[in-house]
Amino acid sequence: GAVVSQHPSWVICKSGTSVKIECRSLDFQATTMFWYRQFPKKSLMLMATSNEGSKATYEQGVEKDKFLINHASLTLSTLTVTSAHPEDSSFYICSASGFGLAKNIQYFGAGTRLSVL
Amino acid sequence: RKEVEQDPGPFNVPEGATVAFNCTYSNSASQSFFWYRQDCRKEPKLLMSVYSSGNEDGRFTAQLNRASQYISLLIRDSKLSDSATYLCVVTQYNQGGKLIFGQGTELSVKP
Repeated sequence: GAVVSQHPSWVICKSGTSVKIECRSLDFQATTMFWYRQFPKKSLMLMATSNEGSKATYEQGVEKDKFLINHASLTLSTLTVTSAHPEDSSFYICSASGFGLAKNIQYFGAGTRLSVL
Repeated sequence: RKEVEQDPGPFNVPEGATVAFNCTYSNSASQSFFWYRQDCRKEPKLLMSVYSSGNEDGRFTAQLNRASQYISLLIRDSKLSDSATYLCVVTQYNQGGKLIFGQGTELSVKP
């Protein structure tokens, strides 16, 4: 099946710093990538959808200046949490869909656990 | 009302038991339906797609009732390794493939 690699898997940072998370499709071209966050015991909440070469579409309530998304190539999307604060601590997961894959099927990265001190 | 609602759980069952999960969705324009499985601190993994005709994959059977906007997942002869959170997921027309997740139902299979 299609493989999505997400890095880093775990990051601890100080309040006020920025953190970049990478999401790569390893064996397919990801035309669309999705970014989710998940709090403990809660379900995944979509933050934004990004199409290669276009600006990301953010869900209601998600600050675009806080969560910067770049999808500059068909195999890489990045999420930067700017000026992170403790309330940004969460599990961030990316997924991707693309050419040659079954319609509406998304392949997920392993997630990044962010802890802001 | 949430777009996708599931049994609250958790379900605690002995090995070998049959367990059924229910899910309802509010938007009749929903297009595709899935069950995902998520292990603790891991990403969700696709378990199976769900079709109106029903589909079976080994011990797992999924069913969709569009008229009632209801989705089910049946697990027979449950194993310890089935312990996880099961997520009901739908997509809608013209939403760019966006997945809408239910809150998940936790299953714990005990020896």
